[in-house]
Amino acid sequence: AQSVSQHNHHVILSEAASLELGCNYSYGGTVNLFWYVQYPGQHLQLLLKYFSGDPLVKGIKGFEAEFIKSKFSFNLRKPSVQWSDTAEYFCAARYGNNRLAFGKGNQVVVIP
Amino acid sequence: GAVVSQHPSRVICKSGTSVKIECRSLDFQATTMFWYRQFPKQSLMLMATSNEGSKATYEQGVEKDKFLINHASLTLSTLTVTSAHPEDSSFYICSARPSLGTGELFFGEGSRLTVL
Repeated sequence: AQSVSQHNHHVILSEAASLELGCNYSYGGTVNLFWYVQYPGQHLQLLLKYFSGDPLVKGIKGFEAEFIKSKFSFNLRKPSVQWSDTAEYFCAARYGNNRLAFGKGNQVVVIP
Repeated sequence: GAVVSQHPSRVICKSGTSVKIECRSLDFQATTMFWYRQFPKQSLMLMATSNEGSKATYEQGVEKDKFLINHASLTLSTLTVTSAHPEDSSFYICSARPSLGTGELFFGEGSRLTVL
């Protein structure tokens, strides 16, 4: 089945620390990959996406993600987090049938 | 960016009644909209794909007679939870994909349903 897995549901870190969130997707042919963020009380928003080309993708707010095909991974990184990065982060994969599969999310809390 | 609005954002109803949730794309047309259900501390589960002018495509295990989806126009999809029970209490989220675009999805703010 097409699925996405995220590890470490809860992540707590201090401001200026580096963040890396893991995302693995199941094989399913051509796949598009996304990271979404949901700030408290707000909609899901797109952080970044990978369709093809350069496997290192840069998104908004200093986030980046690297697509590693051999590992079926699309990990999200930010070198130095801020308190305002406190949010829930979801990795998602869209397969050829256009269905979007979400991971369970990472609840990230940044302590000032 | 494009805006998707859901209404109501919160609804409480009695067991056995039906509840309708609307999903509107405010500044773009969407041939396809998606309905998700999110349980606490769990992922978004795709319930169905709503196609304008045709029947919705339901995911395995989702009762189509219980969760009625109507996509009557290019800017509106509705989800009706019929004969609601407490186990239907959940957070329902819709997303829409612009008919003209890169395939990016835009999400509504979600609707919290509580069935008493």
